[in-house]
Amino acid sequence: ILNVEQSPQSLHVQEGDSTNFTCSFPSSNFYALHWYRWETAKSPEALFVMTLNGDEKKKGRISATLNTKEGYSYLYIKGSQPEDSATYLCAFLGFHAGGTSYGKLTFGQGTILTVHP
Amino acid sequence: GAGVSQTPSNKVTEKGKYVELRCDPISGHTALYWYRQSLGQGPEFLIYFQGTGAADDSGLPNDRFFAVRPEGSVSTLKIQRTERGDSAVYLCASTLRPGGNPNTEAFFGQGTRLTVV
Repeated sequence: ILNVEQSPQSLHVQEGDSTNFTCSFPSSNFYALHWYRWETAKSPEALFVMTLNGDEKKKGRISATLNTKEGYSYLYIKGSQPEDSATYLCAFLGFHAGGTSYGKLTFGQGTILTVHP
Repeated sequence: GAGVSQTPSNKVTEKGKYVELRCDPISGHTALYWYRQSLGQGPEFLIYFQGTGAADDSGLPNDRFFAVRPEGSVSTLKIQRTERGDSAVYLCASTLRPGGNPNTEAFFGQGTRLTVV
């Protein structure tokens, strides 16, 4: 059974604060690590797909880092805004026989972010 | 359509009834996945289709759950004799090409919220 853990489970911040979340995952059979943002009544939206140890990716005020050797990824939000309020999910993608993956994601339980005006 | 479409968006049913949940993936996406998110947890894998065939149904909780994808596009998740514990958000995702490219992104529908009363 794969164990993907996220912390914290929930977070309340003030508008303008910067914040970060953690995702830990198995360090073996790593293929990729996905981050999703899921707003209420909407589809989960992919933020980043990370594949290489040491990867750092950025999209606007949001960035992510990846350490596959120790099995963790950080998501950072700079200058949080109320529209950043959502559940942030990480998902681990592992190798299967043949050295590829068929795309089955193992999710963490998510971090619920609330940004107060 | 432009994205993954799931219907209905909400379904309330009585314990013991039969329900069908529909997923219309992005045109041309050969891989389709069903996930279930119960309260306080991350999405959990149910079943994966490559084309018309169920390549991995290891996540289906029991034989009350069944899914089909007869023409390799639209999929239907079927739940017989529903129980209160089946209440959850059922998510569908599709990808263009599940293996061979670790940067492949999964596209999700908005989910069907099933409530069994």
